[in-house]
Amino acid sequence: AQSVTQLDSHVSVSEGTPVLLRCNYSSSYSPSLFWYVQHPNKGLQLLLKYTSAATLVKGINGFEAEFKKSETSFHLTKPSAHMSDAAEYFCVLGYNNNDMRFGAGTRLTVKP
Amino acid sequence: DGGITQSPKYLFRKEGQNVTLSCEQNLNHDAMYWYRQDPGQGLRLIYYSQIVNDFQKGDIAEGYSVSREKKESFPLTVTSAQKNPTAFYLCASSMWTGANYEQYFGPGTRLTVT
Repeated sequence: AQSVTQLDSHVSVSEGTPVLLRCNYSSSYSPSLFWYVQHPNKGLQLLLKYTSAATLVKGINGFEAEFKKSETSFHLTKPSAHMSDAAEYFCVLGYNNNDMRFGAGTRLTVKP
Repeated sequence: DGGITQSPKYLFRKEGQNVTLSCEQNLNHDAMYWYRQDPGQGLRLIYYSQIVNDFQKGDIAEGYSVSREKKESFPLTVTSAQKNPTAFYLCASSMWTGANYEQYFGPGTRLTVT
């Protein structure tokens, strides 16, 4: 079965400290993986994507994620959190057949 | 500007009434989708359409209906048969990048039914 699990429903960090949002996946096929961000009452914006090229993927706003096949993980990181990073983040597993599986989301809180 | 528009942003209805949510895209994407989002949950697929005049049920299609008469438009009707219609509804469209389908999302419509 194809699925994605976000290991934390809520992460809280202080401004200027690193961010780590964890995502594990289960897939019988070579996956495409995405991270999306959603600010309150807004649509989802693509942060970055992995499509079997480089395993370390850089995205917008200083975020990056590393695809680790041996650990079936695709964790999202940022060296230094900013107040504007506070939002909901979704890890998504995609396939060539146009199917997308969303994680339950991780709410990031950034404290001043 | 290219993008996806959803209207209205907020919608209020009485129980027992059908309501139609609008979704329009000018990205020339073939595929379009409707998702439902509830608090603390990820997105769940209601319907999707890969081409004009064709659409498929997603995971939670009961109580919803769609049409796809034009490439640009994919309206969703929430019928009175939907037991818990209050939710945030997101429309998306996608393009084939050569490696996968990448989805673009509209700003969403928050529907409240009382």
